[in-house]
Amino acid sequence: AQKVTQAQTEISVVEKEDVTLDCVYETRDTTYYLFWYKQPPSGELVFLIRRNSFDEQNEISGRYSWNFQKSTSSFNFTITASQVVDSAVYFCALSEAPETSGSRLTFGEGTQLTVNP
Amino acid sequence: GAGVSQSPSNKVTEKGKDVELRCDPISGHTALYWYRQSLGQGLEFLIYFQGNSAPDKSGLPSDRFSAERTGGSVSTLTIQRTQQEDSAVYLCASSARRGTPLHFGNGTRLTVT
Repeated sequence: AQKVTQAQTEISVVEKEDVTLDCVYETRDTTYYLFWYKQPPSGELVFLIRRNSFDEQNEISGRYSWNFQKSTSSFNFTITASQVVDSAVYFCALSEAPETSGSRLTFGEGTQLTVNP
Repeated sequence: GAGVSQSPSNKVTEKGKDVELRCDPISGHTALYWYRQSLGQGLEFLIYFQGNSAPDKSGLPSDRFSAERTGGSVSTLTIQRTQQEDSAVYLCASSARRGTPLHFGNGTRLTVT
């Protein structure tokens, strides 16, 4: 069975601080996908990134960066120079290989990030 | 170019009544998912449709819950004999194919009184 753990329930930072959101996953598959989603106070879930299990190259998109390490089954998300608009719940998710049955997206419990001015 | 559309956006019902929640996925998306998010909780998988394959119903919490997807497009989630613990936001998502990012609707907030 697949499982995603986001150990940080809530994080509070001051604007311009860097913050890292942790994500650890469990899966028996060798091929899988990892995702991060953002859920701002308005409620809609916004896709941020998808990473497949064969691509361990770190990715940077503006102030956002992701560190994927298969050796530790982690897919951590860092926001550099945080802003108040980054305040949201962030979800990490795992999808097993499309060829397997189900292919459901399993979400972690989410991390509530609050960026204070 | 519309996104995933869900209706109604809010539903208040009395305990014991049946409710139907509707989802219109993005045109051309073959995969459709239903999730439930209770207050302050994560997202709980309910059911997944992929093309013409049999749906993955393994997340449905009880036999009071059912879903169908007609013509490979619109989906309806039905909850029979609603209970107070069914109160949650029900989210629908679609994706172009398995393994690709899910696009979520704004959800239906269900309140069972």
